[in-house]
Amino acid sequence: DAGVTQSPTHLIKTRGQQVTLRCSPKSGHDTVSWYQQALGQGPQFIFQYYEEEERQRGNFPDRFSGHQFPNYSSELNVNALLLGDSALYLCASSLVAPPDSPLHFGNGTRLTVT
Amino acid sequence: ILNVEQSPQSLHVQEGDSTNFTCSFPSSNFYALHWYRWETAKSPEALFVMTLNGDEKKKGRISATLNTKEGYSYLYIKGSQPEDSATYLCASLSNFGNEKLTFGTGTRLTIIP
Repeated sequence: DAGVTQSPTHLIKTRGQQVTLRCSPKSGHDTVSWYQQALGQGPQFIFQYYEEEERQRGNFPDRFSGHQFPNYSSELNVNALLLGDSALYLCASSLVAPPDSPLHFGNGTRLTVT
Repeated sequence: ILNVEQSPQSLHVQEGDSTNFTCSFPSSNFYALHWYRWETAKSPEALFVMTLNGDEKKKGRISATLNTKEGYSYLYIKGSQPEDSATYLCASLSNFGNEKLTFGTGTRLTIIP
């Protein structure tokens, strides 16, 4: 039973560029959430997808967008990269019900913006 | 408490000793409290999801308690082992109808052999 997989594991981009991160949820899970963890911080909620729609969004600018596909996999896109976007991006999958079901995380994508 | 706060930030414990640390969270409109263990080079792993005031959950040598009225949870580790070295994250979920977990910054636990 494959867990949550994320790709790529590491990425280096230049300011102003665009990036796409990918996530495949744990088998049987229908909900994908994305989190950003900057150095010294806890994971910060970016958004959550269910049934190919964004259900909830955190305090992130519109430069951060996402998508969920019919097979429940998801992408996180970040446009016009800033130095401050350098962080570990975590994808987590879960079941939409019950709402207190635990998250299953991937190993993350380490994004460095230079 | 407006945010999720964890203390201490880091902790060194001798192998075999027991330890505990704290998670404080907003008590208003509380819905659930999650605990995760995050070992280096691995992904965060769920330990407990707790919803009821006074609840206590146990997984092997690790247990957690929950006080939703005052907004805190304790995580206890009995007889620490080197494999317990990890960052322990807690996260709260409110019942405003939103689905986002708000995480603390974690407690980094190092077990000294």
